[in-house]
Amino acid sequence: DAKTTQPTSMDCAEGRAANLPCNHSTISGNEYVYWYRQIHSQGPQYIIHGLKNNETNEMASLIITEDRKSSTLILPHATLRDTAVYYCIATYGKLTFGQGTILTVHP
Amino acid sequence: EAGVAQSPRYKIIEKRQSVAFWCNPISGHATLYWYQQILGQGPKLLIQFQNNGVVDDSQLPKDRFSAERLKGVDSTLKIQPAKLEDSAVYLCASSYPSFPSGGTDTQYFGPGTRLTVL
Repeated sequence: DAKTTQPTSMDCAEGRAANLPCNHSTISGNEYVYWYRQIHSQGPQYIIHGLKNNETNEMASLIITEDRKSSTLILPHATLRDTAVYYCIATYGKLTFGQGTILTVHP
Repeated sequence: EAGVAQSPRYKIIEKRQSVAFWCNPISGHATLYWYQQILGQGPKLLIQFQNNGVVDDSQLPKDRFSAERLKGVDSTLKIQPAKLEDSAVYLCASSYPSFPSGGTDTQYFGPGTRLTVL
C-alpha cells in the first residue's frame, strides 16, 4: 500500500463545505484511493473510492489530481454528525488505516 | 438490511485470563475480517477469512490469538492468555465480492467490542 499523509485535525463550520486533503505521492498505477470515516464509538464507515476520475456519491465527492499524487474528499454541506476521524487509504488489496484526520464540525 | 453484529460490546478481564468475541456478518458476505484498534490509532487487520478459509493472518499474534469461522458465517476471535497490551477495540467487518469495479471490496464494520485488560 502507498503511504498516505493527512493533516492531524481540521475544523469546519456547519453548512460549509469540508475539504479534506490526502497526499499519496508513491501511489502505484493499480492502487485505488479509499476514504472511510469513524464516528466516535462506532466502526469505520465507507465513504467513497476512486482510481483516476473524480467520483461523487450521496455522501461526498472525491477529487484526484491528474498525477494521482494527492486527493481531496469534499463533504459539500457539513453537519454536526460529520464530526469524525477520516481515513484516506491508497491500496489495491487490504485496508491499512493510518491515524486519519479528526474533522470537527462547529455550529 | 441488518449490519454486522458483534458481542459483547464491552469486556473487562484480568491479565492471563481468556476472552472470546463473536461476530455475525451481513448475510451473504463471503469475506470476514477482524481488526484491532488501539486507542488513538487506526484499525489494524488481524485476520481475513474468505468463506471459512484464512486468506491473511500475517498480523495475528498466533501464540495467544486464534480465530475461526465455522460454516463460513459466524466467527469467533479468542485471546488466551490476555496481556495488558491487548486492551483495544476489536472490530469485525464483512464484504461481498465486488471486483468488477476493481480494487478492494467495500467493507462494512460492526460496532466493535471494547476490551480492557487489568
